[in-house]
Amino acid sequence: NAGVTQTPKFQVLKTGQSMTLQCAQDMNHNSMYWYRQDPGMGLRLIYYSASEGTTDKGEVPNGYNVSRLNKREFSLRLESAAPSQTSVYFCAGGTSGRAEQFFGPGTRLTVL
Amino acid sequence: SQQGEEDPQALSIQEGENATMNCSYKTSINNLQWYRQNSGRGLVHLILIRSNEREKHSGRLRVTLDTSKKSSSLLITASRAADTASYFCATDAGFGSNYQLIWGAGTKLIIKP
Repeated sequence: NAGVTQTPKFQVLKTGQSMTLQCAQDMNHNSMYWYRQDPGMGLRLIYYSASEGTTDKGEVPNGYNVSRLNKREFSLRLESAAPSQTSVYFCAGGTSGRAEQFFGPGTRLTVL
Repeated sequence: SQQGEEDPQALSIQEGENATMNCSYKTSINNLQWYRQNSGRGLVHLILIRSNEREKHSGRLRVTLDTSKKSSSLLITASRAADTASYFCATDAGFGSNYQLIWGAGTKLIIKP
């Protein structure tokens, strides 16, 4: 089992460019999450999907959109990247919002 | 806003010593979790303690929870170089089916050989 996988591992964008971060899990998780982690800070939730077909905003959703394509896949899209979106992005999955979460390896994004 | 706050922000100890990290939170919880993050990697779940539990053990890890003080502590006994990492606490928040984890800023632990 691969667990939670994310692509790409690294990305550099120019201001205004768009991109989609991909996340897939083979652990049969109902819930999936997108977080960002900035230096010296904990994780901040961007969007989450409690189950297939549903998505909800987290703490910092502005500038992002998500798609829960199916139970396995949950993508995060930046429509018009800004330098403030420079961060490390983590995808995670879990059986429910209260349960332990399993994390992917992260995507390090730099917006110039 | 962050529900959990870890203390200290950084901790450096000699290999073999015990390491204690604390987490405080603001609102009532159903459970509290601790995670480890090695440099440049994703987070790994260590232990979950429910609000009706006071102490839980897993190998060299001991977690306590005091709901009256809204605080938790993580003790790592007989530390090893491989324990060097950042440690985060997370508490659940939300209602209905839309529970989320709210994260603290973490404690950076360095184990000196």
